[in-house]
Amino acid sequence: DIQMTQSPSSLSASVGDRVTITCRASQTISTYLNWYQHKPGKAPELLIYGSSSLQSGVPSRFTGSGSATDFTLTINSLQLEDFATYYCQQSYSTPYSFGQGTKLEIK
Amino acid sequence: QLVETGGGLIQPGGSLRLSCAASGFTVSNNYMTWVRQAPGKGLEWVSVFYNDGATYYADSVKGRFTISRDNSKNTVYLQMNNVRAEDTAVYYCARENNWGLDHWGQGTLVTVSS
Repeated sequence: DIQMTQSPSSLSASVGDRVTITCRASQTISTYLNWYQHKPGKAPELLIYGSSSLQSGVPSRFTGSGSATDFTLTINSLQLEDFATYYCQQSYSTPYSFGQGTKLEIK
Repeated sequence: QLVETGGGLIQPGGSLRLSCAASGFTVSNNYMTWVRQAPGKGLEWVSVFYNDGATYYADSVKGRFTISRDNSKNTVYLQMNNVRAEDTAVYYCARENNWGLDHWGQGTLVTVSS
């Protein structure tokens, strides 16, 4: 099974900051990497699929990159509504595992 | 839209069936997935039903959970047998599109406790 490791597990930032979250796969997954935003009490929301494709309706301040085993999610000019937990997920082979999550908090 | 139902309190070793009713698209034309989140934990992928009928499971539920589909009701199910305390979680169903889960239900809470 493929293990997904995110870093950091948590980070604090201010409105207007740029933040980067990384995700590493235990084996190559090409670009079968997705990013989700999850807020308490709500359903997760797909942000990025295929490593770098922006899901319809998602603001352009969210960008994804990477291939093989190393991936990043960058959020430019943080907004108040961006404070949430972020997960990466590989869809290369079952089980389609998630990373452990990165909690983004207000500084 | 996806609406999950069927969650509740169940004793260890018991059985429960979750339902996920879809509207606005046809489940038989899509990959349908169950994901769960235990209290205070992250998201865990549980199972997928491919549109060709193939099914796959996480090791943690293999042999105990069964995913199925009723095309006439446009609904996906998760049959949970021999449940354990560690199965306590909010269970979400989701549609897979372009290899990402682009539509999610609101979730249904399953609590396993005696």
